[in-house]
Amino acid sequence: QVQLQESGPGLAKPSGTLSLSCAVSGDSISSNNWWTWVRQPPGKGLEWIGEIFHSGTTNYNPSLRSRVSISVDKSKNHFSLQLSSVTAADTAFYFCARIPSYSSCMDIWGQGTTVTVSS
Amino acid sequence: EIVLTQSPGTLSLSPGESATLSCRASQSVSSSPLSWYQQKPGQAPRLLIYSASSRATGIPDRFSGSASGTDFTLTISRLEPEDFAVYYCQHYGSSPPMYTFGQGTKLEIK
Repeated sequence: QVQLQESGPGLAKPSGTLSLSCAVSGDSISSNNWWTWVRQPPGKGLEWIGEIFHSGTTNYNPSLRSRVSISVDKSKNHFSLQLSSVTAADTAFYFCARIPSYSSCMDIWGQGTTVTVSS
Repeated sequence: EIVLTQSPGTLSLSPGESATLSCRASQSVSSSPLSWYQQKPGQAPRLLIYSASSRATGIPDRFSGSASGTDFTLTISRLEPEDFAVYYCQHYGSSPPMYTFGQGTKLEIK
């Protein structure tokens, strides 16, 4: 079955860059799906960060666009998130997910990884 | 920018009862990109409903979704103990591409 697994440092320094990867298994990153990042601050709701297609086409949340970059690595079948100029407000659980071509929903999610921004 | 408002914030019910969760959009939207998710503590969200009323794979028919104008409803009949969780609605807008989540409804055991 399709599985997604986030990985990356659990700690980022203020004003630094947060970097995470999402490994995809059971599906090809080059399939007709979009791949996305969603985050959830502790005790709060879900916030969409951005998405990428295997062609490299990206869409970002306007509120984060100036600081976000999502990329895809077809050779490793994974996609990545970089968020720059982080502050404590970026402390959250970060999830990666798949958006199937037939719908605008997120049907498969990774288990999530927590990132704390602190010096 | 579309805002999704979920109500109630918290719903207290007993197993066996039915739950009705509401999600209202701030402006007229297409119903096709409306989804519902269930999230339990420490877990990722799980897709329940997409395109307003289609159940995702493996979701029991106790879960149903409907749409009327800017109002979307998730109904859970015959509540099971494992249904008590937080539920989020989510909408996709294409101009510009944007995924918006509601703030969530917590369904708790009474």
